[in-house]
Amino acid sequence: AQTVTQSQPEMSVQEAETVTLSCTYDTSESDYYLFWYKQPPSRQMILVIRQEAYKQQNATENRFSVNFQKAAKSFSLKISDSQLGDAAMYFCAYRSPFLSGTYKYIFGTGTRLKVLA
Amino acid sequence: DGGITQSPKYLFRKEGQNVTLSCEQNLNHDAMYWYRQDPGQGLRLIYYSQIVNDFQKGDIAEGYSVSREKKESFPLTVTSAQKNPTAFYLCASTPVGGGYTFGSGTRLTVV
Repeated sequence: AQTVTQSQPEMSVQEAETVTLSCTYDTSESDYYLFWYKQPPSRQMILVIRQEAYKQQNATENRFSVNFQKAAKSFSLKISDSQLGDAAMYFCAYRSPFLSGTYKYIFGTGTRLKVLA
Repeated sequence: DGGITQSPKYLFRKEGQNVTLSCEQNLNHDAMYWYRQDPGQGLRLIYYSQIVNDFQKGDIAEGYSVSREKKESFPLTVTSAQKNPTAFYLCASTPVGGGYTFGSGTRLTVV
């Protein structure tokens, strides 16, 4: 069965510094997607970045980038030039291939990021 | 603007009462999902629907029911059989091959 593990329940970063959030996953599939979602205090889930497993190039969205290591099944999120608005809960998620009529999403337990002024 | 609307934002339920959480989307997405979020846990899938008039149980479907009579709507009923319903509930939708768009959630509390 697929699993997603976020081993850091909480992280802190100084404003303007860089922080990396870890995520590992387990799957026997070769074609899948990985996502990072942000959940601020408003509790609205916001898509931060996504990575297709068949792409070797790491995805980047402005200050957010990933380090995707397919063989190691690792998918970390790097936030550069951290801002106070980045403070939130971050969830790593795995999406399976389209099988048996559906995609299956598995979420990690989340990492709470605190940004210190 | 397109999006997902969940209502109400806060809901209180008495013991033994059924309550229904609304989820409406105008994104023309085929698939819709209901998740439950508890403190310290990730999102757990309750039910999902890939097309109108069809839905499937997720990992924690007991005590919940859904319907999908229209593409835009996927209401979730929390029945009296759900023994621990206090949680934050998130609805999401996806186009084929896309990532989730989430609603803003409903906080359900048993009083």
